[in-house]
Amino acid sequence: QKEVEQDPGPLSVPEGAIVSLNCTYSNSAFQYFMWYRQYSRKGPELLMYTYSSGNKEDGRFTAQVDKSSKYISLFIRDSQPSDSATYLCAMTFGGGGNKLTFGTGTQLKVEL
Amino acid sequence: DAGITQSPRHKVTETGTPVTLRCHQTENHRYMYWYRQDPGHGLRLIHYSYGVKDTDKGEVSDGYSVSRSKTEDFLLTLESATSSQTSVYFCAVGAGGNEQFFGPGTRLTVL
Repeated sequence: QKEVEQDPGPLSVPEGAIVSLNCTYSNSAFQYFMWYRQYSRKGPELLMYTYSSGNKEDGRFTAQVDKSSKYISLFIRDSQPSDSATYLCAMTFGGGGNKLTFGTGTQLKVEL
Repeated sequence: DAGITQSPRHKVTETGTPVTLRCHQTENHRYMYWYRQDPGHGLRLIHYSYGVKDTDKGEVSDGYSVSRSKTEDFLLTLESATSSQTSVYFCAVGAGGNEQFFGPGTRLTVL
């Protein structure tokens, strides 16, 4: 069983929908959580970074962490076709310079 | 884009040949990483560096070696390429916090 599980999708939604992307993890030692967005044939781009349970908002994006359930989410409000990409969750134990453990990514398509 | 370039961006090679991929950064980040990305596996760490001449193995290091003789350059070498090393290779950098920033990737095909 992988340390980080992520539904690969694909997930297809209409423009303007609220999107929910999720990851579960098994190692309770993970303390820092990230979401990356990866467009086709591009490198991953850091989207959100959180280190505590609760919500963090940045524009249309909200990252949510529930350490008690070992569950993280990324919500996208008012989704746009430009949000079509693969979304990767990542996490680390912390301490600086630490190795990241990634989910396999969820492919999202936002349709007009 | 954290000033990261990778070269070459695409390469086709034959089984048994050595291959070197280069990662170059312009922002003097201390940490550098090499990942490979494959369908169904996501990003997996090959090797990483925490300073000049300081490197360590990641999750999938067999068949790969690295070198870092300057802060800005991190080289990944496939000593004798195999078809199982056909993949997309990403370099990443980190300043010492937990975030990492990725380069554009190199698509490698081993025939």
